[in-house]
This record gives sequence, C-alpha cells and structure tokens, in this order.
Amino acid sequence: NAGVTQTPKFQVLKTGQSMTLQCAQDMNHEYMSWYRQDPGMGLRLIHYSVGAGITDQGEVPNGYNVSRSTTEDFPLRLLSAAPSQTSVYFCASSYSRFETYEQYFGPGTRLTVT
Amino acid sequence: AQSVTQLGSHVSVSEGALVLLRCNYSSSVPPYLFWYVQYPNQGLQLLLKYTTGATLVKGINGFEAEFKKSETSFHLTKPSAHMSDAAEYFCAVSEEGGSEKLVFGKGTKLTVNP
Repeated sequence: NAGVTQTPKFQVLKTGQSMTLQCAQDMNHEYMSWYRQDPGMGLRLIHYSVGAGITDQGEVPNGYNVSRSTTEDFPLRLLSAAPSQTSVYFCASSYSRFETYEQYFGPGTRLTVT
Repeated sequence: AQSVTQLGSHVSVSEGALVLLRCNYSSSVPPYLFWYVQYPNQGLQLLLKYTTGATLVKGINGFEAEFKKSETSFHLTKPSAHMSDAAEYFCAVSEEGGSEKLVFGKGTKLTVNP
C-alpha cells in the first residue's frame, strides 16, 4: 500500500491564483481530513469528510473548498490564494468503522503564496 | 471545547537522559488522547494513544505515556534518549471523545545532545 499520498510536494503561487492540492489513500479509509501546520501553531483542522459525498468544516475553513466524490480522493481547493495561506498542508485518513482512531498522515505539501 | 497545552516549545536533553514532554488537556467528555511524532520534512506518525482501559500506554520506539484524569495530563516519557528521537512531538485530544477530529497542541521540539 502507498498509504496517504499528496501532490505536489512544493508549490509557489501568486496572490489571487487558484489551485488544488491532491490527496489520495489506498487503505479504504472512510475518514479523511486536511490540516495546516504553521510555526508555533501546531496543526489546525481545515475540512474533513466521514465518507464519500459528506464533508464538513473544521477550525479554519475560510478560503478553502473540498469535495469527496470517491472514498480514495479528497482534494483541497484554494479559490483565491492569499499570503496568509502560506503553510504546510497535511492530509490524513483513518478507518473509523473499527474505531481505531489512528490517523495516517501524508508527507505534506509546502505552499508559499507571494 | 477541547484544548491541549504542551508545556515547553523546546526541550533539550543529553543522549541517555530521561525524556519528559508535558501535555495537559481540557475536555468536557472522557478524552481520547494521542501523541504524534514528526521528523524533519515528514508527516506525522502515531507514537501511542489512550482510549480506554489501562492508563499507562506503551508506544513505539520505547515511549510511554500515563493518563492522569485528576491532573488532566498525558505526559510522554522515555527512560533513555537516543539521537534518533530528535523530532517534534504533538499531543492531541479527540474533539468529541470517540471522534476522529483531533485538536492538537502547538508541539514540542526535542533536541538530543551527544
């Protein structure tokens, strides 16, 4: 299994540009989520999904959209990038059916907005 | 709302010394608690978790943590530090006791000196 994969690893955007961060998992996990990591702030939840077709907002959802059309994929869209969205983004997934509560994290996408 | 406080953003120990990373939480429901480790330029990896049962939890790489309800603490320890333990460590609490939604502390960066 590849686990949780994220693309791209690095991205530089100009203010106002849009882009999609890709996240995929091959473990048949129901739960997927996106976090952003900023220095001294820990990880903060952006959006999450408990299954295909179901998404909800986390702590810091503004400026981001998500959709979950398949179990495997959970893309994060930045509609109009702002410098405040410069961060490292992590996707995570877990198999909630058996209540293991162990989340598997991808390697991250480092985004810089100029 | 749940919250997590990690005391000390940076901790430095000598190789072979005791590692103690502190975590206190607030939760309105019985908490599910986690410690994750992040090595440089990587995603997060689960070290250990407490859900129910025994309050002393053993994890990978010789780490353990003890859930103390009376002190609302979940401190992480390792008897003898190794150079490979140098990383950032995050304590997290499940937002609603059995939920996969995690609230993270701000992290503690561990340095191990030779």
